[in-house]
Amino acid sequence: NAGVTQTPKFRVLKTGQSMTLLCAQDMNHEYMYWYRQDPGMGLRLIHYSVGEGTTAKGEVPDGYNVSRLKKQNFLLGLESAAPSQTSVYFCASSYGTGDRQPQHFGDGTRLSIL
Amino acid sequence: GIQVEQSPPDLILQEGANSTLRCNFSDSVNNLQWFHQNPWGQLINLFYIPSGTKQNGRLSATTVATERYSLLYISSSQTTDSGVYFCAVEPWDSGSRLTFGEGTQLTVNP
Repeated sequence: NAGVTQTPKFRVLKTGQSMTLLCAQDMNHEYMYWYRQDPGMGLRLIHYSVGEGTTAKGEVPDGYNVSRLKKQNFLLGLESAAPSQTSVYFCASSYGTGDRQPQHFGDGTRLSIL
Repeated sequence: GIQVEQSPPDLILQEGANSTLRCNFSDSVNNLQWFHQNPWGQLINLFYIPSGTKQNGRLSATTVATERYSLLYISSSQTTDSGVYFCAVEPWDSGSRLTFGEGTQLTVNP
């Protein structure tokens, strides 16, 4: 049981470069989420998706784009990386709301922007 | 938006001691989860507890939704309990989005 898998685990970028973070889940979850965690803080929601083909903004969406072309995958893109986007990124998934289902998290991607 | 406050921010224990971590939230919630972030940065889901009491080994949690707080109890602490403990809540009108507190940094010394 892989659960939620994030790739890559580490990445260093130069300012202005672009990249995509991949999140894959094998639990047939409808909802998927991208969070960022800065030093000494809790996680903050960037974007989320309530089903294949849908996306919505979270608390800190600026500078990021997302896509959910397949139910099991949720991609987070940085079009022009900035040092302020240096952070640890976590992906999560859940069955959704209504039945009060918990969110399950991946192991994180540590991203440094120089 | 909803406010989530965790206390204490830092806690240092000797191995074998008991502790209580608190999470206060400012509005009604659908969901509340407790996580342990280990020294490698992994988030471990401890409890899903929108209300009531649950126990898992040396850990237990209680959420009193009407009074807007949750408690995490750690008994007979071990060095492997060290790390950051986060409380996260899903407000009623959030559409399943979690809001995290800033965490309690726990250090258990041998």
